[in-house]
Amino acid sequence: GEDVEQSLFLSVREGDSSVINCTYTDSSSTYLYWYKQEPGAGLQLLTYIFSNMDMKQDQRLTVLLNKKDKHLSLRIADTQTGDSAIYFCAEKGYALNFGKGTSLLVTP
Amino acid sequence: DTGVSQNPRHKITKRGQNVTFRCDPISEHNRLYWYRQTLGQGPEFLTYFQNEAQLEKSRLLSDRFSAERPKGSFSTLEIQRTEQGDSAMYLCASSLKNVRTQYFGPGTRLLVL
Repeated sequence: GEDVEQSLFLSVREGDSSVINCTYTDSSSTYLYWYKQEPGAGLQLLTYIFSNMDMKQDQRLTVLLNKKDKHLSLRIADTQTGDSAIYFCAEKGYALNFGKGTSLLVTP
Repeated sequence: DTGVSQNPRHKITKRGQNVTFRCDPISEHNRLYWYRQTLGQGPEFLTYFQNEAQLEKSRLLSDRFSAERPKGSFSTLEIQRTEQGDSAMYLCASSLKNVRTQYFGPGTRLLVL
């Protein structure tokens, strides 16, 4: 299938905000998801957004959706070292289509 | 722990051997999914079940792969005649039928020598 695009790497300082971007492919996706994966572990669902929303905020996480450009972003406020992980965006329905992931490194 | 569980967590096998993995979904989740993740990639969909019925299989699921969910609860994924290219993390997820959010297990990491 077509590729969901994500930048591969992001480095931020502890306390700063992180913004992870994603370009998805399927404009009919009802939901769009962000998952987090720590080394050697499975995927943890972080948040998701319904396609008729532009923004969703959940504590330190803010998801922005631009349907026209098929662009999704995840902002993490006050980034902590424990946020260092790989972040995947995913689209579609039951057969999720994932990007390759963005490795977030948070430095002290 | 009421999350998705997978066993074994790690498996090393020799090329040509058969392997079987098990997934126990969150109880009452009637949908169960299998994905494969290779190094540096995102997970790729393999197949999914609604209750005991296997509703879709990806073209990634070659004839050497078979998945079952006989009683609509746990599922097994078997790989016959393993090849080195089968080395990957095999992830299982579950969800409720009318809820799109999938919850993933910790995965089974397979290494084929």
